[in-house]
Amino acid sequence: DVKVTQSSRYLVKRTGEKVFLECVQDMDHENMFWYRQDPGLGLRLIYFSYDVKMKEKGDIPEGYSVSREKKERFSLILESASTNQTSMYLCASRGILGNTIYFGEGSWLTVV
Amino acid sequence: GENVEQHPSTLSVQEGDSAVIKCTYSDSASNYFPWYKQELGKGPQLIIDIRSNVGEKKDQRIAVTLNKTAKHFSLHITETQPEDSAVYFCAASKGGTYKYIFGTGTRLKVLA
Repeated sequence: DVKVTQSSRYLVKRTGEKVFLECVQDMDHENMFWYRQDPGLGLRLIYFSYDVKMKEKGDIPEGYSVSREKKERFSLILESASTNQTSMYLCASRGILGNTIYFGEGSWLTVV
Repeated sequence: GENVEQHPSTLSVQEGDSAVIKCTYSDSASNYFPWYKQELGKGPQLIIDIRSNVGEKKDQRIAVTLNKTAKHFSLHITETQPEDSAVYFCAASKGGTYKYIFGTGTRLKVLA
């Protein structure tokens, strides 16, 4: 089974703090994603990485950056957290030959 | 822009009854349509998917139908059980891209 692991499930951070959300996948997938999930808005793509050191902005990249130094690891960075970034963050991965994306369990971030 | 509309937003059914969730997509080039189930506190899990070259696909109590002309697809769950209670998301994607357009989700409650 594909496993996408988000190491931090629940975080509480202060406004202005730098926040790192880490994601690791064990299927040697080339593609990795970070989504944000908010009630009534569904899943919105923040950033996509199609390979190591490669990234593309998604629909809502403002206030976020990403890092992909190794194939299995994709990090989401909030340079200066704000209260409107309080949300559930989902990491996902996909193999280059497939359509199916596999999600992690999610990271609940509260910014106070 | 591209979008996927999903209805209803909430659905309550009696145990043993059927449940139907409908999605309409706007991009006629979409050719891959997955359905995800998200249980409370967890990430979305793929439950069934369909490609544009078929009209229907079944997996035990779950089926998906696709009408390319009308640009809509539906999830059908028969003989519902309490463990089917969850949020269900549809999505549309086209081959060769990383873009998945998600619906806003349907909260299904199966009443015992």
